[in-house]
Amino acid sequence: AQSVTQPDIHITVSEGASLELRCNYSYGATPYLFWYVQSPGQGLQLLLKYFSGDTLVQGIKGFEAEFKRSQSSFNLRKPSVHWSDAAEYFCAVGGTGGSYIPTFGRGTSLIVHP
Amino acid sequence: EPEVTQTPSHQVTQMGQEVILRCVPISNHLYFYWYRQILGQKVEFLVSFYNNEISEKSEIFDDQFSVERPDGSNFTLKIRSTKLEDSAMYFCASSRGSYNEQFFGPGTRLTVL
Repeated sequence: AQSVTQPDIHITVSEGASLELRCNYSYGATPYLFWYVQSPGQGLQLLLKYFSGDTLVQGIKGFEAEFKRSQSSFNLRKPSVHWSDAAEYFCAVGGTGGSYIPTFGRGTSLIVHP
Repeated sequence: EPEVTQTPSHQVTQMGQEVILRCVPISNHLYFYWYRQILGQKVEFLVSFYNNEISEKSEIFDDQFSVERPDGSNFTLKIRSTKLEDSAMYFCASSRGSYNEQFFGPGTRLTVL
């Protein structure tokens, strides 16, 4: 079965600093990979997704993620964090049996200091 | 911009009671989903719905749960006899196709006492 690990429960960064949120997945074939963001009181919003092709994926709000098959990772990055980026970030994997339904990680809470 | 809406935002109920959580998906979407997130845990898939029938469901979605699209706009999740462990945030989502992006609603927080 597919699974997702987000090893960091909380990440604290200063505004303007770079950010990397880690995500590792377990899945035999090439997975579909997603990053979602959840702001307080809001639903989940898709930041970016990887299905195939270029392993560096650009998303909304200045985020990018890189698929590294050898490391089974799909880390999310942003070069300069803004205070409005403070939120919960979820990595997800899909693709088992052709299903698109994502399996989510536990999430990483991003705290941004001014 | 069209969005998925959910009502109520917070529902408190007594154990054993039936609850119905309501969702209005984006109007031209054909696939509908329910997820739940127990406090401090992962977002978990419950069920997907297409063409007026369940297309996929997880082990969590047992006989206590049912879904319905009673009219052209609403999509509901019914929990027949709530248990304490049903307390969670329930998210509705919709998508144009099964391989299109899912758009999530803001969630309904269900508290079972």
